[in-house]
Amino acid sequence: GESVGLHLPTLSVQEGDNSIINCAYSNSASDYFIWYKQESGKGPQFIIDIRSNMDKRQGQRVTVLLNKTVKHLSLQIAATQPGDSAVYFCAETGSGGSNYKLTFGKGTLLTVNP
Amino acid sequence: SQTIHQWPATLVQPVGSPLSLECTVEGTSNPNLYWYRQAAGRGLQLLFYSVGIGQISSEVPQNLSASRPQDRQFILSSKKLLLSDSGFYLCAWSVAYNEQFFGPGTRLTVL
Repeated sequence: GESVGLHLPTLSVQEGDNSIINCAYSNSASDYFIWYKQESGKGPQFIIDIRSNMDKRQGQRVTVLLNKTVKHLSLQIAATQPGDSAVYFCAETGSGGSNYKLTFGKGTLLTVNP
Repeated sequence: SQTIHQWPATLVQPVGSPLSLECTVEGTSNPNLYWYRQAAGRGLQLLFYSVGIGQISSEVPQNLSASRPQDRQFILSSKKLLLSDSGFYLCAWSVAYNEQFFGPGTRLTVL
């Protein structure tokens, strides 16, 4: 079946370093991708999104890269801060009538060490 | 601006008791509404979604039901809770083909 998964379940970085969180997807019809951040005990918070007609999008300290050839999505966080510690989920929605629903990956726990 | 509310924030219920979780959205009209469940340390499982009043789609067979009595109100219910119903329940809304915005969640513990 269709799925969205993550390469690494945990990632530990030093404060100030850059972080890269990866995500693989299998639905070649997926055309909209989102990254969410979830802090402990809270609901997921939207970070950044990208549509399939783009391969890169930048926000404040975050960049999302999309490689449709290998069906890979990544989130880059520049100058990682302790407040970035959270679980990060990628999600995708496909075309063809399924655009009301998001398929979420399992999540990556990012820990930022001071 | 749009806001989404969920209550209660935490709930402890005995096995076999009924459940009612409520979600309301402010600042938007005719949103798509969603209920998710998240087990500890796990991802999000879509339970129900609704594209309009009275329209409910169930994603997985389970002990739960959902209703949408008003445009911006979404209710998750159960007649008899099971131990396996414990988890973190999240409500979300979206407008058509865009990102979903999540509420603060309800932590349900069934004993």
